[in-house]
Amino acid sequence: DAGVTQSPTHLIKTRGQQVTLRCSPKSGHDTVSWYQQALGQGPQFIFQYYEEEERQRGNFPDRFSGHQFPNYSSELNVNALLLGDSALYLCASSTHGEQFFGPGTRLTVL
Amino acid sequence: GENVEQHPSTLSVQEGDSAVIKCTYSDSASNYFPWYKQELGKRPQLIIDIRSNVGEKKDQRIAVTLNKTAKHFSLHITETQPEDSAVYFCAASMFSGGYNKLIFGAGTRLAVHP
Repeated sequence: DAGVTQSPTHLIKTRGQQVTLRCSPKSGHDTVSWYQQALGQGPQFIFQYYEEEERQRGNFPDRFSGHQFPNYSSELNVNALLLGDSALYLCASSTHGEQFFGPGTRLTVL
Repeated sequence: GENVEQHPSTLSVQEGDSAVIKCTYSDSASNYFPWYKQELGKRPQLIIDIRSNVGEKKDQRIAVTLNKTAKHFSLHITETQPEDSAVYFCAASMFSGGYNKLIFGAGTRLAVHP
C-alpha cells in the first residue's frame, strides 16, 4: 500500500495561470480532503469530496474547484492564480475516521 | 466562525524534560481532536487523537487531555528526545457520518536539545 500520493511534487506558475493538482487516496479510502498550508501556518481546509461530490467547503473563493473520480482519486484546480496562492497543497484521505495526509504539492506563483 | 488557538508558538526543552502544548476551540459541536506532527519538508502525521466522550488518552510517552466544558485540549510529551523536534498541530472537527473537516491550530515548533 503506497499510502496517499500526490503529483506533482513541485510546481511553478505565473499570476493568472491555472493549475491542476492530483491526489490518489490510500487503498480502501473513499473520502478526499484538500488543505492549503501557507509557510509557517497550519493547514486550512479547502473542500472535501465523497462519492464524486463536494461535501464540505471551507472559506476559499470559487477559483478553487475540484473533482473526484470513480476510483476515488481527486484533482484540485485553481484558476487565475494570485501570488497569495503560493503554498503547500495537501490532500488527505479517510473513510470513517483518521485522515492520512499525502506529501503535498509545493506551488509557487511568480 | 470555527477557530482553534494553539500555544505556545515555539517551545524549547532539554532532552528528558516534559513538553505541553495547549489548544482552545470555538465550536462546541466539535467532537474529535487529533494531533499531528510535521517534520521539516514532510507530511503531517497523526500521533494521537481523542474523542469528546473521553477525558484523557495515553500512548507511551504521549498523552492528550480534553476539557469539554472549557473547550481546551492539551498534548503532553514526557521524557522528550531529540527526534521529537518538529512542528505539532492540534485540530478540531465536528465528526459526523464521515463529515470530518479539520480546523487546525497555527502550530507549535518544538525543539528538544540534547
